[in-house]
Amino acid sequence: AQRVTQPEKLLSVFKGAPVELKCNYSYSGSPELFWYVQYSRQRLQLLLRHISRESIKGFTADLNKGETSFHLKKPFAQEEDSAMYYCAPNNAGGTSYGKLTFGQGTILTVHP
Amino acid sequence: EPEVTQTPSHQVTQMGQEVILRCVPISNHLYFYWYRQILGQKVEFLVSFYNNEISEKSEIFDDQFSVERPDGSNFTLKIRSTKLEDSAMYFCASKGTSGRTDTQYFGPGTRLTVL
Repeated sequence: AQRVTQPEKLLSVFKGAPVELKCNYSYSGSPELFWYVQYSRQRLQLLLRHISRESIKGFTADLNKGETSFHLKKPFAQEEDSAMYYCAPNNAGGTSYGKLTFGQGTILTVHP
Repeated sequence: EPEVTQTPSHQVTQMGQEVILRCVPISNHLYFYWYRQILGQKVEFLVSFYNNEISEKSEIFDDQFSVERPDGSNFTLKIRSTKLEDSAMYFCASKGTSGRTDTQYFGPGTRLTVL
C-alpha cells in the first residue's frame, strides 16, 4: 500500500534555529516527491519538488531512496516560515495522471 | 499570475440535499483534480479528470459523487445526496501537462458543512 508518514504533527523552533520536517514514504515504483505548504488563510502551494533540486525560501529536501525519506530542511528558520507543511509523493507510472498522496502534515511554528 | 478559483467559499446544506461545488481551473490546463480534507485529517485525493472523462478515482468517490466540465472553463463536483460525513474542505487543482513532475495548482477550497 502507498503510504506517506510525517511523524511530527507539531514542530516548534526559535527564529534562527535549524529546522527539519520529516517525511517517509512507502511507495511502489519511483514516485516524484513534492513538498506543499499552506500559510495561514492561504491556499496549498508548491514549495519544492525533488526533480528540481532547488532551494526555495532557503528550504531544501534530499531524496534518500535507501531510507525512503524526503526530509525538508532549513538551516535558519524565520517567523514567516510558520505554516502547515505537507509531503506529497506523486503517483507515478502506469495510467496514473499524477494524483498526489498527502501526508498528515506538520504545523511548523517559528517563535521570535 | 493565473489562479484556480472556487465558489462558494462556504456552503451549508441539509443532509440528503444535492450540492455542486464549482471550480475554474487555470485556463490552459488540461488535468483537473478534486481533493478533500475532513477537519483534523489529511488531504485526500478524490478524482482526476482529463479529456472530458474521469481518469482515476478513489474509494471515497462513490456513486454519490460526479464531476463535470460543462463548458470550457468550469469544473464541478456534485454530491447527489449529502451525508454528515461529507462535511469537509474541498480543494480543486489543475495542471498543464501529464508530466509527473508538473505542479498542481490548488484553489482556495470550499468548506462544505452538512447539517
